[in-house]
Amino acid sequence: AQKVTQAQTEISVVEKEDVTLDCVYETRDTTYYLFWYKQPPSGELVFLIRRNSFDEQNEISGRYSWNFQKSTSSFNFTITASQVVDSAVYFCAPSLTSGTYKYIFGTGTRLKVLA
Amino acid sequence: DGGITQSPKYLFRKEGQNVTLSCEQNLNHDAMYWYRQDPGQGLRLIYYSQIVNDFQKGDIAEGYSVSREKKESFPLTVTSAQKNPTAFYLCASSLLAHAYNEQFFGPGTRLTVL
Repeated sequence: AQKVTQAQTEISVVEKEDVTLDCVYETRDTTYYLFWYKQPPSGELVFLIRRNSFDEQNEISGRYSWNFQKSTSSFNFTITASQVVDSAVYFCAPSLTSGTYKYIFGTGTRLKVLA
Repeated sequence: DGGITQSPKYLFRKEGQNVTLSCEQNLNHDAMYWYRQDPGQGLRLIYYSQIVNDFQKGDIAEGYSVSREKKESFPLTVTSAQKNPTAFYLCASSLLAHAYNEQFFGPGTRLTVL
């Protein structure tokens, strides 16, 4: 089965702490893309980052960074120096290249950043 | 400003009634999608459309119908055949229906069946 596991249901941190959100996925595809989306209380999902499966170079974009390891099928997302505005639900979503095009969404991790 | 609009924001329906959710985009995207989100859950794909006059069933299409007569519009009808329609519905679009493309989401419609 192709699925995504976000084992952390809810995380609370104090402002300025770093926080890492975990994502483990299963897929039969050898080529795919990995996304992280943020869902603030307003409801709409906002695109954060994209990673392809054939390049394991990890990157940093502002306060966001990600660690992709194909061997363990993990795609973890880190927010550095968290802020209250980072409070939201975060979804990991592999995007498959075979068969019917679609994302596979995890159940999300709710992040609460306390002032 | 370019984006996706969904209306209404909140919708109440009596059992046995059909209801149509609106989704409009002015991003000039070819692909559009409808998702359903239940409390504490991820998003599940209902229908998607890669191009005008074409659409495909997603994972949970039963009890729903769509049309794509115009590039910018992708309305979703929740029919009386949908056994448990109370949920949060999100519309999205992407430049193309390709795994590489990020999706842009609307603000959602919260449907409650009374």
